[in-house]
Amino acid sequence: SQTIHQWPATLVQPVGSPLSLECTVEGTSNPNLYWYRQAAGRGLQLLFYSVGIGQISSEVPQNLSASRPQDRQFILSSKKLLLSDSGFYLCAWSPQTGVNQPQHFGDGTRLSIL
Amino acid sequence: AQSVTQPDIHITVSEGASLELRCNYSYGATPYLFWYVQSPGQGLQLLLKYFSGDTLVQGIKGFEAEFKRSQSSFNLRKPSVHWSDAAEYFCAVGATTKAAGNKLTFGGGTRVLVKP
Repeated sequence: SQTIHQWPATLVQPVGSPLSLECTVEGTSNPNLYWYRQAAGRGLQLLFYSVGIGQISSEVPQNLSASRPQDRQFILSSKKLLLSDSGFYLCAWSPQTGVNQPQHFGDGTRLSIL
Repeated sequence: AQSVTQPDIHITVSEGASLELRCNYSYGATPYLFWYVQSPGQGLQLLLKYFSGDTLVQGIKGFEAEFKRSQSSFNLRKPSVHWSDAAEYFCAVGATTKAAGNKLTFGGGTRVLVKP
């Protein structure tokens, strides 16, 4: 069966520091991958998605970037964090085959910027 | 562009009572619809999905949802709520092309509180 792992689960970082969040998927090949942010008390905002290695689509202008160095690895990064980057970050995957496959989510990373 | 509206931000229900969460979507073609649940501090778990066919869809944890094209709705129901159903619930609509990367558009969510 397929599993998705995100780490770390919790992260506290000072303003201006760099960021790297990692997400990996097991048990499937060539998945679609997604990064979402969920601000406190608000819905999900899609930040990036990827349909293949090195293929990244950005949904909103922001201080963050994403990379997909391997088929089942998706990384969210920042060179200098802002206070507004605080939130709950979720990684998700969906199968490439067929349309409108559901997305499957990791357990998330709680990011607090001080 | 597609959109999803969940009119109720919060709902409080007594344990054992029935629950209905509203979802309205806007989409030009046949929608692909999903309901997810999120417990505090956790990721989202898929409850059920609708693609075509029977408009009443059964999901996990005793939930069901009914697709009504005439009302552009996909409401989630549970006949008898358990305390463990306290969570946030998200309705989502999917894009219909593979080129769109199977992106989902989520509603703002409904937080369900369960009273003992």
